[in-house]
Amino acid sequence: NAGVMQNPRHLVRRRGQEARLRCSPMKGHSHVYWYRQLPEEGLKFMVYLQKENIIDESGMPKERFSAEFPKEGPSILRIQQVVRGDSAAYFCASSPPSSRETQYFGPGTRLLVL
Amino acid sequence: QKEVEQNSGPLSVPEGAIASLNCTYSDRGSQSFFWYRQYSGKSPELIMSIYSNGDKEDGRFTAQLNKASQYVSLLIRDSQPSDSATYLCAAANTGNQFYFGTGTSLTVIP
Repeated sequence: NAGVMQNPRHLVRRRGQEARLRCSPMKGHSHVYWYRQLPEEGLKFMVYLQKENIIDESGMPKERFSAEFPKEGPSILRIQQVVRGDSAAYFCASSPPSSRETQYFGPGTRLLVL
Repeated sequence: QKEVEQNSGPLSVPEGAIASLNCTYSDRGSQSFFWYRQYSGKSPELIMSIYSNGDKEDGRFTAQLNKASQYVSLLIRDSQPSDSATYLCAAANTGNQFYFGTGTSLTVIP
């Protein structure tokens, strides 16, 4: 049973470009969470999605950030017009319907904005 | 006030000793608690979950929960150098909120 998959693992963007991060949850998992981790800081919740629905986006910046989890395909976290402060590790986690709080993390995408 | 607080450490223990990691939380609505281990440059890995007051043991790991004191701890017995990592405490309430502490760095000295 493959774990949570994220790609790319590393992403370099220049200021003003768009970053698109992908997450494929574990098989059978219908809940997806995105977190951001800055160096020497904890994981910060960004958004919680189920298939075709955003359940909670209270942790996501109001501008430039968006997330989706379509019926088919991976969940996407999109950052438009990136700035240097967006440089961080972005982790996706998934959980099964029966145990929503038990989250399994993907390997993360390290975003570097030049 | 942060929702989940941990002593950032670093915590150093000799090999074979007991490592004790502590965490407090502010949301009394929190129902579920988790400990994750994160090696440098890697993703968090779930090692323990606890939902009821008291102790829960799994191998060398024991999680302790005291809801009255809003306190969660993790004990690692017979610590090994491979246990050297950052340990993240997390709390979830009945809604959608899931909060992580900033983590405690543990070093086990051979």
